[in-house]
Amino acid sequence: NAGVTQTPKFRILKIGQSMTLQCAQDMNHNYMYWYRQDPGMGLKLIYYSVGAGITDKGEVPNGYNVSRSTTEDFPLRLELAAPSQTSVYFCASSPDRARELFFGEGSRLTVL
Amino acid sequence: GENVEQHPSTLSVQEGDSAVIKCTYSDSASNYFPWYKQELGKRPQLIIDIRSNVGEKKDQRIAVTLNKTAKHFSLHITETQPEDSAVYFCAASRTTSGTYKYIFGTGTRLKVLA
Repeated sequence: NAGVTQTPKFRILKIGQSMTLQCAQDMNHNYMYWYRQDPGMGLKLIYYSVGAGITDKGEVPNGYNVSRSTTEDFPLRLELAAPSQTSVYFCASSPDRARELFFGEGSRLTVL
Repeated sequence: GENVEQHPSTLSVQEGDSAVIKCTYSDSASNYFPWYKQELGKRPQLIIDIRSNVGEKKDQRIAVTLNKTAKHFSLHITETQPEDSAVYFCAASRTTSGTYKYIFGTGTRLKVLA
C-alpha cells in the first residue's frame, strides 16, 4: 500500500494563477481531509469529506474548492492564488470518524 | 464553533526529565483525543490517543490523561530523550452526529537538551 499520495511535492505559482493539488489514498478510507500548515504554525482544516460526493467546509475554506467523485481521490483546487496561500498542504485520510489520520508527505506551495 | 487550545507553544527540558503538554477543547460532544508528533520536515504521525470513556492511557514513556468535566487533556512524556524533540499536536474529534471536523491545537515545540 502506498497510503496517502500527494502531488506535486513542490510548486511555485504566480499571483492569480490556479492549480489543483492532488490527493489519492489506496486504503479504502471514507474520511479525507485537507489541512494547511503555515511556517512554524499548526494545522488548519480547509475542507473534509465523509465519503464520495460529500464534502464540507473546515476552519479556513476561503479561496479553495474540493470535490470527491471517488473514494480514492480528494483534489484541492486553488483559484486565483494569493501570497496568503503560501503554505504546506497536507492531505489525510481515516477509515472512520474519530480515528487515526494517515497523512500524505505534504505539498509545499509558494505564491509569488 | 469547535476550538482546541494548546499550551505551552515551546517547551525545553533536560534529557531524562518529564514533559507535559496541555490542551483544552470547546465542543463538549468531542469524545476522541489523539496526539500527533511531527518531526522537522515530516508528516504528523499519531503517537497515542484516548477516548472519553477512559481517564488515562499509557504506552511506554508516554501517557495521556483526560478530564471531561474540565474539558482538558494532557500528554506526559517521561525520561525524555533527544529523539523526542519535535512538534506535538493535540486534536479533538467526535463520533456522534453533527460535524465531523478534526481540529488540531496550535502545537508545542519540544526541545530535549542533552
